[in-house]
Amino acid sequence: AQKITQTQPGMFVQEKEAVTLDCTYDTSDQSYGLFWYKQPSSGEMIFLIYQGSYDEQNATEGRYSLNFQKARKSANLVISASQLGDSAMYFCAMSRGSNYKLTFGKGTLLTVNP
Amino acid sequence: DVKVTQSSRYLVKRTGEKVFLECVQDMDHENMFWYRQDPGLGLRLIYFSYDVKMKEKGDIPEGYSVSREKKERFSLILESASTNQTSMYLCASSSRLAGGYEQYFGPGTRLTVT
Repeated sequence: AQKITQTQPGMFVQEKEAVTLDCTYDTSDQSYGLFWYKQPSSGEMIFLIYQGSYDEQNATEGRYSLNFQKARKSANLVISASQLGDSAMYFCAMSRGSNYKLTFGKGTLLTVNP
Repeated sequence: DVKVTQSSRYLVKRTGEKVFLECVQDMDHENMFWYRQDPGLGLRLIYFSYDVKMKEKGDIPEGYSVSREKKERFSLILESASTNQTSMYLCASSSRLAGGYEQYFGPGTRLTVT
């Protein structure tokens, strides 16, 4: 069975600094996808970034990058130059091959301090 | 832009009532999902649908049913609401044609059962 682990219930970072949110996964599949979502206090889930298991380069989207280490089964999210608006809950998720269901981690609450 | 809408942001119901949560997406997506979100537990999949009139149980289907009569609409039904169904309910959709299986979420319905 698939499992996503986010070991940091909460993280604090100073504005303009970089922060890494940890995510490890467990799967026996060769083909899978890894996602990060942001959930502000308003409640809506916002897609941030995607990495396929066969992608050799780490995914980047603006200030977000996904540090994909396949052998270690980790998919950490790096946010560069943190902004106050980055304060939110962040979820790591995984899809399984051609299966379109996602398995989510329990989330990390990021607080950006001014 | 993909838009997923949910019928209510906040809902208060009494124990034993039949509750309908509606979700509509405007991007012609084949897949639709219902999750519940509880503090410390992340998102858990209740049901999903990969086509009109097709449905599959997720991880926690007990006490819920779903209906998908039209491609754009996916309804979650609580046959007899109970207090342990007080939660945030999130609807999502995705396209099987998109390689990343990214899910787009609605704003959520916070349901309180008293």
